[in-house]
Amino acid sequence: GENVEQHPSTLSVQEGDSAVIKCTYSDSASNYFPWYKQELGKRPQLIIDIRSNVGEKKDQRIAVTLNKTAKHFSLHITETQPEDSAVYFCAASYANAGGTSYGKLTFGQGTILTVHP
Amino acid sequence: ETGVTQTPRHLVMGMTNKKSLKCEQHLGHNAMYWYKQSAKKPLELMFVYSLEERVENNSVPSRFSPECPNSSHLFLHLHTLQPEDSALYLCASSFRPGHEQYFGPGTRLTVT
Repeated sequence: GENVEQHPSTLSVQEGDSAVIKCTYSDSASNYFPWYKQELGKRPQLIIDIRSNVGEKKDQRIAVTLNKTAKHFSLHITETQPEDSAVYFCAASYANAGGTSYGKLTFGQGTILTVHP
Repeated sequence: ETGVTQTPRHLVMGMTNKKSLKCEQHLGHNAMYWYKQSAKKPLELMFVYSLEERVENNSVPSRFSPECPNSSHLFLHLHTLQPEDSALYLCASSFRPGHEQYFGPGTRLTVT
């Protein structure tokens, strides 16, 4: 089955700096890679995702890059703010467009990001 | 957010009790999930239901018993739990397994 490794487990940055979290996956068939943010005491929420037909996707201050050959993908947060402090989870799965063929979503271990004012 | 709801939000139970967790999704999704989240641990997938059929059971002890009566509702029946079962139990749903998942707020379970 799929195995997702996430690093680092904790990350501390100063406000305004950039933060990068990296994940590797084992199943070359995986084609969907979401990132979730979980604030303290709250539910995980999808913040960005990427499918294997693109190499990069951006949404304001966050971006995700995917290297299919190396089987790794990364979350980039620029101009970090204290409200970015949370646990971030990467995940990987396979699903075709119609959902008739799929693999379960496998999560990484999580990264605790702390942004200091 | 009201797409995925869970009740109760907090539950304290003794090891001999029987209780049930409830999850309801209003997103028209066909897949539902139970996860266990312990302190400093990743999300541990427990069960996956697709179109009301259980498609995955990740070696979960039999003291946890899921039930999916329809595509909008998911239950987790609990009996004779252990203190190490204390955790946040999250429900999620998605269009199909493998697609983006939407999480409920979770039930904070404490077993005494």
